[in-house]
Amino acid sequence: EAGVAQSPRYKIIEKRQSVAFWCNPISGHATLYWYQQILGQGPKLLIQFQNNGVVDDSQLPKDRFSAERLKGVDSTLKIQPAKLEDSAVYLCASSTTGQGNTETQYFGPGTRLLVL
Amino acid sequence: SQELEQSPQSLIVQEGKNLTINCTSSKTLYGLYWYKQKYGEGLIFLMMLQKGGEEKSHEKITAKLDEKKQQSSLHITASQPSHAGIYLCGAPTSGTYKYIFGTGTRLKVLA
Repeated sequence: EAGVAQSPRYKIIEKRQSVAFWCNPISGHATLYWYQQILGQGPKLLIQFQNNGVVDDSQLPKDRFSAERLKGVDSTLKIQPAKLEDSAVYLCASSTTGQGNTETQYFGPGTRLLVL
Repeated sequence: SQELEQSPQSLIVQEGKNLTINCTSSKTLYGLYWYKQKYGEGLIFLMMLQKGGEEKSHEKITAKLDEKKQQSSLHITASQPSHAGIYLCGAPTSGTYKYIFGTGTRLKVLA
């Protein structure tokens, strides 16, 4: 079974530029998550999708971050314009239903973003 | 808000030594996950604990959940260089399906 795919793996941009990350979850997984992990910290949930609907985006900086999952499968996370403090690893994860507190989330390899 | 605190923050051990990493929650745990992460990469699922007193093992890694103490421990027996990485605990927050994570424990194993 293929895991969660993410691209690109690395990205370097200058501040005020825009950037987009792509994620393809495990086939059949209804729930998709985007996390931001700043160096030395644990991952922080940015947004959670259930199929193509948003379940939770309370920690997404909506003035500059946006995400979509139009067909309920793959997803794109965008930052526009980027700030220095956005430098982090962006992790995508998926789970089967997103319900139940014992459901395992499976993570992709992450996209490492450096904003100069 | 609920928080997960991991200890120690970093650990350097000689190959072959045993070690323990702890994860303590500020609120009741409704499940606890352990992940391993290589620097700058994704998280690899290790194991999930659901019930108080539950203990699971995978190869040389054993994890236990103490619900009363709101704590989980991860124990590695006879550590190897391949065990090196960042170990993260994660848990669903009370009343939600949202995960929170600890800040991680960085393990280095000297050959």
